[in-house]
This record gives sequence, structure tokens and C-alpha cells, in this order.
Amino acid sequence: EIVMTQSPATLSVSPGERATFSCRASQSVNSNLAWYRQKPGQPPSLLIYGASTRATGIPARFSGSGSGTEFTLTISSLQSEDFAVYYCQQYGNWPLYTFGQGTKLEIK
Amino acid sequence: EVQLEQSGAEVKKPGESLKISCKGSGYTFTRYWIAWVRQMPGKGLEWMGIIYPGDSQTRYSPSFQGQVIMSADKSISTAYLQWSSLKASDTAMYYCARTSADIGAAWFDPWGQGTLVTVSS
Repeated sequence: EIVMTQSPATLSVSPGERATFSCRASQSVNSNLAWYRQKPGQPPSLLIYGASTRATGIPARFSGSGSGTEFTLTISSLQSEDFAVYYCQQYGNWPLYTFGQGTKLEIK
Repeated sequence: EVQLEQSGAEVKKPGESLKISCKGSGYTFTRYWIAWVRQMPGKGLEWMGIIYPGDSQTRYSPSFQGQVIMSADKSISTAYLQWSSLKASDTAMYYCARTSADIGAAWFDPWGQGTLVTVSS
């Protein structure tokens, strides 16, 4: 099983500032990596797939990078709706998907 | 618009059986896999397994193999997740999501709204 490790567990950032999330895979998943945002009381929603491609309707302040085992999600200028929990997911070891444990983004 | 509509919240007693549903619309239901994901209270996301409604092929996470059964009725574009004997530890939100068998496109999108299952005596 590929283990996905996200860091930090909690990130405290002020609105308008930049937030950076990390995700590490225990073995290479190439670029088969997605990021999801889960707002309180809602299901997760897709932000990024293929490690760096924004999903339909996702604003340009969201960007993803990385390949192999190291990945990063960056939000360039935080808006109020961005304070949520973020998960990475590998799908390169199909059908054995795995999620990271999540990073909670909170208002500083 | 591609949508997944899940059945409503359930409250059950330990040992009871349960089947929850996920109905797809806005796309050809038989051409994509449906994934099930568990989220226990205050916890993260756990992939449970996937089913291909076209022929009901299934793939289970080792953690959930033997614990649940996935099925589908393609005539009504609906996938199901069922338990034969619930435990208190099955209390969680369960999500379905659409995915692909193409590894290069196997992310989860969209997601259903979730079904909350509460198991308590």
C-alpha cells in the first residue's frame, strides 16, 4: 500500500496571505495525484488532478506542483472560503487508492 | 450536469443490516467506476472500494474486504453499499464519487452529498 503523508497537520495563515501544503508518497505515483478541499459539513471537492491541473471552475490562486513522491499545493491569496481541510490522494496504484490524513487550514 | 445523489441518513442498531444508495445522473452511468469513501466522525477520508456498474466488477480496499458489499443496478443508474451486520464502529459519513479506470484520469469527481450512518443501541 502506498502511504500518503501530509504536512503540517494544521496550518495557520491570515486572509490574503499564501498557504503551502505538502504531500509525500511512500513510493512514486508519477503525476497521479489529486488535491481536494473539504469545507465544514460538505463533501470533498476536487481542486487539482494530475498533480498540477486545476479542475473546472477552480480559480487560478490554486496551484499544484510535484511528481514522483513530493507534491505541493499552494493557495496564493487566501479567501474566507479557503479555510477548510485539504487532502491529497494518489491514484497511480490503481485500484488501491490512498488519501493523506489531511491538513486543516485555519485563520491566523 | 454530472451529479451523484445519495440516500438519506440512517440510524440503526448493532447487528442490523443496511443498504445505502448512490444514483448517478448527467452522464453514462455504465462507463465510469463509482468509489465509496468512509469518513468517521472528526477523521479523514478512507477509500473503501470501487464498482463498475457496466458489469458490476468490484475492487475492495484490503481494510474493507469482507466487511461491506458493493453492488449496482445499471437499469436505474444506482450503486449500493451494504452491511449484513452493523457495528458501532461503522458510524460514519459515507460518500460515493465517480472515477475512471484510466489510471491517468482516476481522480474522484464529482462526489455525492454523503449518507450519515449512525449505529447505536
